[in-house]
Amino acid sequence: GAVVSQHPSWVICKSGTSVKIECRSLDFQATTMFWYRQFPKQSLMLMATSNEGSKATYEQGVEKDKFLINHASLTLSTLTVTSAHPEDSSFYICSASDAGGREQYFGPGTRLTVT
Amino acid sequence: AQSVTQLGSHVSVSEGALVLLRCNYSSSVPPYLFWYVQYPNQGLQLLLKYTTGATLVKGINGFEAEFKKSETSFHLTKPSAHMSDAAEYFCAVSEGGNEKLTFGTGTRLTIIP
Repeated sequence: GAVVSQHPSWVICKSGTSVKIECRSLDFQATTMFWYRQFPKQSLMLMATSNEGSKATYEQGVEKDKFLINHASLTLSTLTVTSAHPEDSSFYICSASDAGGREQYFGPGTRLTVT
Repeated sequence: AQSVTQLGSHVSVSEGALVLLRCNYSSSVPPYLFWYVQYPNQGLQLLLKYTTGATLVKGINGFEAEFKKSETSFHLTKPSAHMSDAAEYFCAVSEGGNEKLTFGTGTRLTIIP
């Protein structure tokens, strides 16, 4: 149980375009989802927290207009990187927690490369 | 505010030897503590967690960790390393009941045949 999937697993896009990453909880209802980014050989940095039906809460320094997060249902959250630039290239990982909220279940990650 | 310090960005041990990965935390309230493992190009897998109760926590793959409040530590150990243990390990803390996780910088474990 408690499986989280991400799609796509990797994506290459041109500078200036937008790319959407999906995060799904497959066998539980995710009241809260989290989006992290991880640069090579570094730790995970929390970007934002989203609750179903509410606006996401962004961490300090994260541009909300650049990283659009939508959590429209209890099983799906999306992260859209708008007007992507090479510096946005990173590994993006989502996690989800259920109503109990004591543990986060992580997706397998999405590697974004902006050329 | 909460924070995590992992001493040693790289640790190498021989196959069959003891694995010890260090983690110290700071938290203004009783912490929840976690160890995760990450294999290349993959997400995080939970090894074990401490919330309340017994301070020695056993996890998957033979790993265990002990919560020591007086030392603000949560070191990860495994008696005998296996080649498949080679990975990146992250310690994380949340302030009990608060879902927000703060991660350490990670320790890359290498197993020497």
